[in-house]
Amino acid sequence: GDSVTQMEGPVTLSEEAFLTINCTYTATGYPSLFWYVQYPGEGLQLLLKATKADDKGSNKGFEATYRKETTSFHLEKGSVQVSDSAVYFCALTTANTGNQFYFGTGTSLTVIP
Amino acid sequence: GAGVSQSPSNKVTEKGKDVELRCDPISGHTALYWYRQSLGQGLEFLIYFQGNSAPDKSGLPSDRFSAERTGGSVSTLTIQRTQQEDSAVYLCASSFWGSYEQYFGPGTRLTVT
Repeated sequence: GDSVTQMEGPVTLSEEAFLTINCTYTATGYPSLFWYVQYPGEGLQLLLKATKADDKGSNKGFEATYRKETTSFHLEKGSVQVSDSAVYFCALTTANTGNQFYFGTGTSLTVIP
Repeated sequence: GAGVSQSPSNKVTEKGKDVELRCDPISGHTALYWYRQSLGQGLEFLIYFQGNSAPDKSGLPSDRFSAERTGGSVSTLTIQRTQQEDSAVYLCASSFWGSYEQYFGPGTRLTVT
């Protein structure tokens, strides 16, 4: 079945460090891929998405490229800030699943000044 | 405008009792999802409503779980004869039909003692 695997946390970085959170997927169809973020005390919100191979989603300095050949959608940011401290979830959906979303287990990021 | 709201925010119940969790989606959103987030786990899909179509119940873990959506708006998730393994955060999300972006509520934290 469809699934998402993301790197386990927690991740702790110093401010301005480079961030990578790995995400790989398994899908029977042709998935759309997402990163959601959950800031402390808030609900999940969409961070970025990519709907076809080689697309790059970007938002708030974060980027992720849909790599079909490696079935990956790694999240990157060149210079993290304290305000980026949150839990990040990779997710996918396919037409086969009728809009059902599959989420990873989440990666907790803490950025220290 | 108002986001997705859920109530109660916290619920503590004794094993064997029934509980009802409520979700008020964003006005105009025709799709509504319920997820369960257990400690150390990702978001587990439970059920999906789309307009007046029959709901996708494929994620419900047992027949103790049921959900309804009245008038295409408010939804109630009911868990009968609660068990300790039902302890989790229950998240509701809504979206426009055909949209990939789900808007999440703050969740209901259920603790079964």
